[in-house]
Amino acid sequence: AQSVAQPEDQVNVAEGNPLTVKCTYSVSGNPYLFWYVQYPNRGLQFLLKYITGDNLVKGSYGFEAEFNKSQTSFHLKKPSALVSDSALYFCAVRDLGGGGNKLTFGTGTQLKVEL
Amino acid sequence: DTAVSQTPKYLVTQMGNDKSIKCEQNLGHDTMYWYKQDSKKFLKIMFSYNNKELIINETVPNRFSPKSPDKAHLNLHINSLELGDSAVYFCASSQTQGGAEAFFGQGTRLTVV
Repeated sequence: AQSVAQPEDQVNVAEGNPLTVKCTYSVSGNPYLFWYVQYPNRGLQFLLKYITGDNLVKGSYGFEAEFNKSQTSFHLKKPSALVSDSALYFCAVRDLGGGGNKLTFGTGTQLKVEL
Repeated sequence: DTAVSQTPKYLVTQMGNDKSIKCEQNLGHDTMYWYKQDSKKFLKIMFSYNNKELIINETVPNRFSPKSPDKAHLNLHINSLELGDSAVYFCASSQTQGGAEAFFGQGTRLTVV
């Protein structure tokens, strides 16, 4: 089965500094990887995805992610963090095994951006 | 227009009751899902439907019964509610292709007292 891991429960960063939220994956075959953000009391919002092609994927709100096959990682990045980026971030992988079709999520990383 | 809408947003009910959560998507997607988010914010797939057909049932108690009257709707009915069912339930939809992102509803916060 496909899986993703988010090793950090929380990441703290100062506004204006670059941020990285880590994700590693375990898949058989080609991975379909996603990042989502969840603001308090809201649903999940899609940020970006990697299917194939360029290893650097650009998404919404200035976020980008780097796919690294050798390190099986798909870290989320932003060059300059904003206080409004504070939220819960989920990495996910598409699992097409067993005839099914589902997104399997990591455990989430709480991002806190402080002034 | 809301892409994936679910109702109600909040649901407080007593143990033993039966309740339903409705979900509708206007994106023309073939696949719909129910996810459960627990108190630790972990997200776990419950069910996946493709064109009204159940594809995934992730060891969910049979008190939970999804129903898809058409491919734009996937409702969740829960019988004999238990305290442990308290969680936030998210409906989502996507195209069937592997690279397709899923769109999520705003969630239904279920509290069983």
